[in-house]
Amino acid sequence: SQKIEQNSEALNIQEGKTATLTCNYTNYSPAYLQWYRQDPGRGPVFLLLIRENEKEKRKERLKVTFDTTLKQSLFHITASQPADSATYLCALARWGGKLIFGQGTELSVKP
Amino acid sequence: DVKVTQSSRYLVKRTGEKVFLECVQDMDHENMFWYRQDPGLGLRLIYFSYDVKMKEKGDIPEGYSVSREKKERFSLILESASTNQTSMYLCASTGQDRVAYEQYFGPGTRLTVT
Repeated sequence: SQKIEQNSEALNIQEGKTATLTCNYTNYSPAYLQWYRQDPGRGPVFLLLIRENEKEKRKERLKVTFDTTLKQSLFHITASQPADSATYLCALARWGGKLIFGQGTELSVKP
Repeated sequence: DVKVTQSSRYLVKRTGEKVFLECVQDMDHENMFWYRQDPGLGLRLIYFSYDVKMKEKGDIPEGYSVSREKKERFSLILESASTNQTSMYLCASTGQDRVAYEQYFGPGTRLTVT
């Protein structure tokens, strides 16, 4: 069955550094991959979408890569700030707009 | 500003009660989804709907049903609540391009069944 894995351990980094989060998947070839941010007690908020024919996508301090050979996506936040502290979810698109989500990686940026 | 609202942020129900969770979106989206989120398991899809009166089972539909009588409203029903249905429930909606469009989520309902 389809499986998505994100770093289960929380990621702790210093303010100003680049945070890199990993999303690996198996038994699937998605056409799209999405990244969401979720703050405690709130619903996820969409950040970025990358298509299978795109290697890289950028939005302000965010960068996403998508390697369909490795079956992996990397999510980078450059010049990280304490306000970037949250849980980040990757999601693969299935037919009909359905998404399958990873468990999420908790990021903590220390001042 | 787009909005998905859910009827309650917190809900406490007893085992065996019938529970209704309501979700309303103001974006004229065709597609709506119900998920539950549990620690270590991530978001799991319960049911989804592509149009009014249309519904399809997701990955974990057992113990749940849904209703979509109007385009903007999607209800999740727990026919007889059980303690293993204690969870965070999230509603989401998305537009016509079902594969590519981002999903907009509501704030969630934290349901406790005692």
